[in-house]
Amino acid sequence: AQSVTQPDIHITVSEGASLELRCNYSYGATPYLFWYVQSPGQGLQLLLKYFSGDTLVQGIKGFEAEFKRSQSSFNLRKPSVHWSDAAEYFCAVGPGGGGNKLTFGTGTQLKVEL
Amino acid sequence: GAGVSQSPRYKVAKRGQDVALRCDPISGHVSLFWYQQALGQGPEFLTYFQNEAQLDKSGLPSDRFFAERPEGSVSTLKIQRTQQEDSAVYLCASSLGGSNQPQHFGDGTRLSIL
Repeated sequence: AQSVTQPDIHITVSEGASLELRCNYSYGATPYLFWYVQSPGQGLQLLLKYFSGDTLVQGIKGFEAEFKRSQSSFNLRKPSVHWSDAAEYFCAVGPGGGGNKLTFGTGTQLKVEL
Repeated sequence: GAGVSQSPRYKVAKRGQDVALRCDPISGHVSLFWYQQALGQGPEFLTYFQNEAQLDKSGLPSDRFFAERPEGSVSTLKIQRTQQEDSAVYLCASSLGGSNQPQHFGDGTRLSIL
């Protein structure tokens, strides 16, 4: 069965500092990987996705993620955090195909100090 | 353009009542998903439709949960004889279908069972 682990429940960074959110997955084949962001009272917004090809993926809002098969990881990074980035971040894995049901991690709550 | 629309945004019901939650997917999206998000957790898959066909309902927690999408567009998630543990945010997502299409989420319905 597929699973996702986000080991950091809460992370606090200063505005302008760099950010890395960790994500480890368990899946039997090449996974489809996603990062979503959720602001309070809102649904999930897709930041970026990895299906195949280049293992460094660029997303919206200046985020990027790197797929490392050997480490079963898909960490999210941003070189300089803005106060508006404060939100909850979810990593998800899916099998691809038409029935692409996603398995989510428990999320990382990001706080940005001004 | 219009995104995924869910209604109502908030629903309060007494234990034992039936509730119905509505999802309007993005126009042209053939795939539709329902997820349940408990407080402080990531979303968990409930069920999946391709057009009007319910292809996967493995995540529905009990036979009190029922979902339909009769014309392949709007979907309704119904919960009968609600219980307190049904309190959660119910998220709907849609996608174009196919192997590499991401899911787009609505803002969810927050269900509170008293």
